[in-house]
Amino acid sequence: SYELTQPPSVSVSPGQTASITCSGDKLGDKYACWYQQKAGQSPVLVIYQDSKRPSGIPERFSGSNSGNTATLTISGTQAMDEADYYCQAWDSSTVVFGTGTKVTVL
Amino acid sequence: QVQLQESGPGLVKPSQTLSLTCTVSGGSISSGSYYWSWIRQPAGKGLEWIGRIYTSGSTNYNPSLKSRVTISVDTSKNQFSLKLSSVTAADTAVYYCARMGGIADYAMDVWGQGTTVTVSS
Repeated sequence: SYELTQPPSVSVSPGQTASITCSGDKLGDKYACWYQQKAGQSPVLVIYQDSKRPSGIPERFSGSNSGNTATLTISGTQAMDEADYYCQAWDSSTVVFGTGTKVTVL
Repeated sequence: QVQLQESGPGLVKPSQTLSLTCTVSGGSISSGSYYWSWIRQPAGKGLEWIGRIYTSGSTNYNPSLKSRVTISVDTSKNQFSLKLSSVTAADTAVYYCARMGGIADYAMDVWGQGTTVTVSS
């Protein structure tokens, strides 16, 4: 079965840039999306189709996808961005989620 | 603005069938090119997709759960449902329903608040 691997944790200082990777075989040939999940809340879609932002998502969230890696970048990270982030792709008629990354804003 | 709300028993006994319903409000479940999904998350763990359904009744399931899962839709009630049979403690989780498709393609852009299901005798 298809697997998506993320680093367990990423730490970033306020105002700096956080990059979260998502690795999977030929992931660049598929669309990747990203969800933010704050403690005790439902996931929120922050990026879809590799790099598109849903309405209401701040411009500091951006995405890219090439080769075997998709990347979510948070520019000018704010304390409110502290959360778990999950990548997701569609493969063989199934949704596959990444392992998740906890972003800590120090 | 479309909203989703999960409902169902919070406690299920081992070997029994877990049944949940997701009610769609603020729009018709039949409008647009949307699929309707179920996802779960054990406490402290990651997200696991269970399956999805289109209003035509077409379904896709997670292969690891396929033998125990049935997802159905009732367009007259603007609801879709999940049944998971032969549950064990490993099925204890927060269960979410979500909308998939439209401009978001294979992403899920609207989620319910989630409902906690505990499997215990």
